[in-house]
Amino acid sequence: AQSVAQPEDQVNVAEGNPLTVKCTYSVSGNPYLFWYVQYPNRGLQFLLKYITGDNLVKGSYGFEAEFNKSQTSFHLKKPSALVSDSALYFCAVRDAYNYGQNFVFGPGTRLSVLP
Amino acid sequence: EAQVTQNPRYLITVTGKKLTVTCSQNMNHEYMSWYRQDPGLGLRQIYYSMNVEVTDKGDVPEGYKVSRKEKRNFPLILESPSPNQTSLYFCASSSTRSYNEQFFGPGTRLTVL
Repeated sequence: AQSVAQPEDQVNVAEGNPLTVKCTYSVSGNPYLFWYVQYPNRGLQFLLKYITGDNLVKGSYGFEAEFNKSQTSFHLKKPSALVSDSALYFCAVRDAYNYGQNFVFGPGTRLSVLP
Repeated sequence: EAQVTQNPRYLITVTGKKLTVTCSQNMNHEYMSWYRQDPGLGLRQIYYSMNVEVTDKGDVPEGYKVSRKEKRNFPLILESPSPNQTSLYFCASSSTRSYNEQFFGPGTRLTVL
């Protein structure tokens, strides 16, 4: 069965500092990995995904994520945080070879960027 | 504009009163799905549909029904709502490729008294 863990409920970072939001996953086949962001009173917005190829994936709003197969991780990063990055972040996984499988989401990590 | 729409956005109802939350997408996506979001639990999938007339249970289907009679619409039906179904509900859609991301609706906040 697929699963996603986001070990931190809350991440606090000062504006201008680098940020990391952690995600680890478990899937029987090869993973497709996704990051979404949710702003207050809004739906989820897609940030980036890993399908294959380069382990460093770049996405929207200056975010990037690094896929590490040996550690089964897909951490979200940004070199310089903005106050406007404060939101709820979700990591999700899907089995690449089983389309019938669901997307499985992590519990979410709340990011607070302090001015 | 490509989008997923949900109605209503907010709903307060009472136990046992049947309700339907509508979901519609204009991207000609085959795959549609319903999730509920609860604090500390993230998003949990209720039902999904891989195409017209093809639906399947997700992780938390009890108390819910769905139908997919048209490609663009995927309503969520609560035949007899209970207070434990108070939650934030999201509809999502994507194309058939498993590597494609899902597009989410704005959410429906449901309160069952």
